[in-house]
Amino acid sequence: DAKTTQPNSMESNEEEPVHLPCNHSTISGTDYIHWYRQLPSQGPEYVIHGLTSNVNNRMASLAIAEDRKSSTLILHRATLRDAAVYYCILSPGANFGNEKLTFGTGTRLTIIP
Amino acid sequence: DAMVIQNPRYQVTQFGKPVTLSCSQTLNHNVMYWYQQKSSQAPKLLFHYYDKDFNNEADTPDNFQSRRPNTSFCFLDIRSPGLGDAAMYLCATSRGLGPANEKLFFGSGTQLSVL
Repeated sequence: DAKTTQPNSMESNEEEPVHLPCNHSTISGTDYIHWYRQLPSQGPEYVIHGLTSNVNNRMASLAIAEDRKSSTLILHRATLRDAAVYYCILSPGANFGNEKLTFGTGTRLTIIP
Repeated sequence: DAMVIQNPRYQVTQFGKPVTLSCSQTLNHNVMYWYQQKSSQAPKLLFHYYDKDFNNEADTPDNFQSRRPNTSFCFLDIRSPGLGDAAMYLCATSRGLGPANEKLFFGSGTQLSVL
């Protein structure tokens, strides 16, 4: 399975944008890029996912590099409630029916008031 | 409003004493997953059900079993818990398998302690 590389931790000031990077240099052409986050003492929650084009939803934006070897999760205005571990995950799309999400180590995001 | 419900939130068992964790869902999703998450680590997939079709991960110990009696419920059985099995156990669901469907919905987890 293709792997992702994320910084172990990041800090950001409250009410400022946050850019969380993810490298996935061995990504295949059919792999989807997923982001989940896990707040303290809770299960992970879905944030966003995409294949090639940039994606926006109410929680965040996903910017995918043209060569797809990296992506960036963008939180437009961080709040204290965004403090969590953020996981960037590749989901193999080629073997339809056998796709599962394998979590990496993630980035622990700290928001500074 | 909870869509994936795990009970209990905290479970204490004794070394070697069988324990069962439960998960229920109100989403009518076809797929249910069990993940194990040890302290400060990422969740690790143990197995999943696609409807009644059980799929075990290659490195999941035999000590871990699962049952899915119907669409809504799924159980994780640990036959002889060891100290190393102390972890958060997370249940998740998805509509189906495949990238377009693979938005997972997680429960809040059951924190298992083994004494």
